[in-house]
Amino acid sequence: DQQVKQNSPSLSVQEGRISILNCDYTNSMFDYFLWYKKYPAEGPTFLISISSIKDKNEDGRFTVFLNKSAKHLSLHIVPSQPGDSAVYFCAANKPSSGSARQLTFGSGTQLTVLP
Amino acid sequence: DSGVTQTPKHLITATGQRVTLRCSPRSGDLSVYWYQQSLDQGLQFLIQYYNGEERAKGNILERFSAQQFPDLHSELNLSSLELGDSALYFCASSSTLAGGKRGELFFGEGSRLTVL
Repeated sequence: DQQVKQNSPSLSVQEGRISILNCDYTNSMFDYFLWYKKYPAEGPTFLISISSIKDKNEDGRFTVFLNKSAKHLSLHIVPSQPGDSAVYFCAANKPSSGSARQLTFGSGTQLTVLP
Repeated sequence: DSGVTQTPKHLITATGQRVTLRCSPRSGDLSVYWYQQSLDQGLQFLIQYYNGEERAKGNILERFSAQQFPDLHSELNLSSLELGDSALYFCASSSTLAGGKRGELFFGEGSRLTVL
């Protein structure tokens, strides 16, 4: 049962243009969402997060949008740079006892930014 | 460099064997998490420890166990290994039970386990 889905395994974008990565979820109990970036042979690195009480969060070139009614979030990268080429994971947190973190990850989207 | 250290980086073993993966969290972090990433899959949450106590459990098999020691390092024990256990195993840490300042976890580089 995939509660967090990233339906696009890959995305190619020209340098300087906008990259839009999408993520859908099924569990309405998720209260917090995060995006991670992963380079080969490295661990995932945190990019940006958003609480379910917000619909947008911005950090530099990265903006995350949350549409709760559609159970959909997206990550916008503007402008895209070749160094952004990586696998991007969407993750969602399900509240558990004692506020422990229990993240459910999507399968990832490989972003390639072409020079 | 996230500050989370995992050893070994690579491990090759046979079916039926037992292995131990080790994780040292970032300095000062009390919470440790274990995740499994199989081929072309997302990261699957296994278990979380906070200051030595188990706090959340995911889809961790009974053949797998973990613990967090007084010095806060953690070990993940995998026994009676099967071919399907071949995966990347990630450890993550955070300062609080609910993650860092932005709810984030800090991941190590992972331990790649190959079961032949």
